[in-house]
Amino acid sequence: AQSVTQLGSHVSVSEGALVLLRCNYSSSVPPYLFWYVQYPNQGLQLLLKYTSAATLVKGINGFEAEFKKSETSFHLTKPSAHMSDAAEYFCAVSDNNAGNMLTFGGGTRLMVKP
Amino acid sequence: GAVVSQHPSRVICKSGTSVKIECRSLDFQATTMFWYRQFPKQSLMLMATSNEGSKATYEQGVEKDKFLINHASLTLSTLTVTSAHPEDSSFYICSATVAYEQYFGPGTRLTVT
Repeated sequence: AQSVTQLGSHVSVSEGALVLLRCNYSSSVPPYLFWYVQYPNQGLQLLLKYTSAATLVKGINGFEAEFKKSETSFHLTKPSAHMSDAAEYFCAVSDNNAGNMLTFGGGTRLMVKP
Repeated sequence: GAVVSQHPSRVICKSGTSVKIECRSLDFQATTMFWYRQFPKQSLMLMATSNEGSKATYEQGVEKDKFLINHASLTLSTLTVTSAHPEDSSFYICSATVAYEQYFGPGTRLTVT
């Protein structure tokens, strides 16, 4: 069984500040990990994914995430927040590289203050 | 990237009626599509896996007779909410996998009055 926990349902940062969204996972098999972004009333867009290659994964829009097996974490970061980054972010885990059968975390709403 | 569309984007129906939601892969063929449900301010919950030419696989707790899924072609899967009730009001999202990435549709907001 797999599960994902996102600490903090709401995160607020100032524009230009560091963004850190936390994700911890539980998996009985080597995990494949994903971060998705969802804008209001839209579907999900893939930001980045970890598929057992490099532990530091770079994604779109300046986001990156680091897989830490010892901490069972896959936190999402961005050095400098933009107003356009305000959205809902979901961490997800799968037991396969294709991203099928995703298990999502509860989501974190990122708010960016001017 | 691959594009997945959904129709309608919003639908309001009366309690007791049925509503059909379409999910299309526009520029690729999808033998498998997924249907998710998202309640307000909550995460996505996988409802079922739609398989082209065969029966859908439903997650535990999802009523297959209430949420009818048909995947008759490689580019179209439909979800029919039968005898809808207000508690079925939700955001329904479909997705399809291509080239080891899952692409999501824009979602359909269902409101049952």
